[in-house]
Amino acid sequence: DGGITQSPKYLFRKEGQNVTLSCEQNLNHDAMYWYRQDPGQGLRLIYYSQIVNDFQKGDIAEGYSVSREKKESFPLTVTSAQKNPTAFYLCASSIAGRAYEQYFGPGTRLTVT
Amino acid sequence: AQTVTQSQPEMSVQEAETVTLSCTYDTSESDYYLFWYKQPPSRQMILVIRQEAYKQQNATENRFSVNFQKAAKSFSLKISDSQLGDAAMYFCAYRSYSGGGADGLTFGKGTHLIIQP
Repeated sequence: DGGITQSPKYLFRKEGQNVTLSCEQNLNHDAMYWYRQDPGQGLRLIYYSQIVNDFQKGDIAEGYSVSREKKESFPLTVTSAQKNPTAFYLCASSIAGRAYEQYFGPGTRLTVT
Repeated sequence: AQTVTQSQPEMSVQEAETVTLSCTYDTSESDYYLFWYKQPPSRQMILVIRQEAYKQQNATENRFSVNFQKAAKSFSLKISDSQLGDAAMYFCAYRSYSGGGADGLTFGKGTHLIIQP
C-alpha cells in the first residue's frame, strides 16, 4: 500500500533533549512537508522540501531542523532550542508541480516534560 | 501573507440535516487554491474538497459542496444529509498558485462539527 508513515505515534522526551521524528513515503513524491498542530489551532508549516538535499523554512522553523538525504525520507529534529515542543506533528507529501494535492501521514504526538 | 479565518469554533447539526461551515481569507493574489480538510478523532487529515480560484463553478463532491465568493473572499462548505461519520474538525486552507513551487498550505483554526443523532 502506498502512503506516508510516521513513527512513533506517541513520543515522550525530557526537556533539553533533541528528538527526531520520522517521516517516510513510498508514493514517489518529490515534495515533503512538516506541519505542527496545537490545540485549537490549525496546522502551521515548519519546513518543506521540493527535492533531495534541498529544503526551505516555513512559518515557524525556529528550534527545528530537517534533512532530505533520500527522496522517501524527511526526518524532523526538534531541538532543545524549541521553547514549546509539545504538539502534534504532521508530515505531508505531494507530486512536484502539484503541491495543491498534499497527502498527510497519521501524525506523531510529541510530549516534552 | 495570507490569512484564513474560521469564525465558528463549533457547530452542531442533527443527523440528516444540512450544515454550512464558514471560511474567509485574505490575499492579494488572484490565482490560488482553497481546500476543506476533515480531521476525525484519529487526527488523520483528509481532503474533502478543492476549489481553484480561476474556476467560477463551485466544486462538489457527493454530499459536500462549496460556495466560493471570490470578490468577498469567502469559501463556505455545505454538508448535506449529515451523517454521524461527518463528525470531525474541519479546516479551511489556502495555497497560492505559484506555478510549480512547493510551499505549504495556510490553515484556519478549524470548526468542530458535532452530529446529533
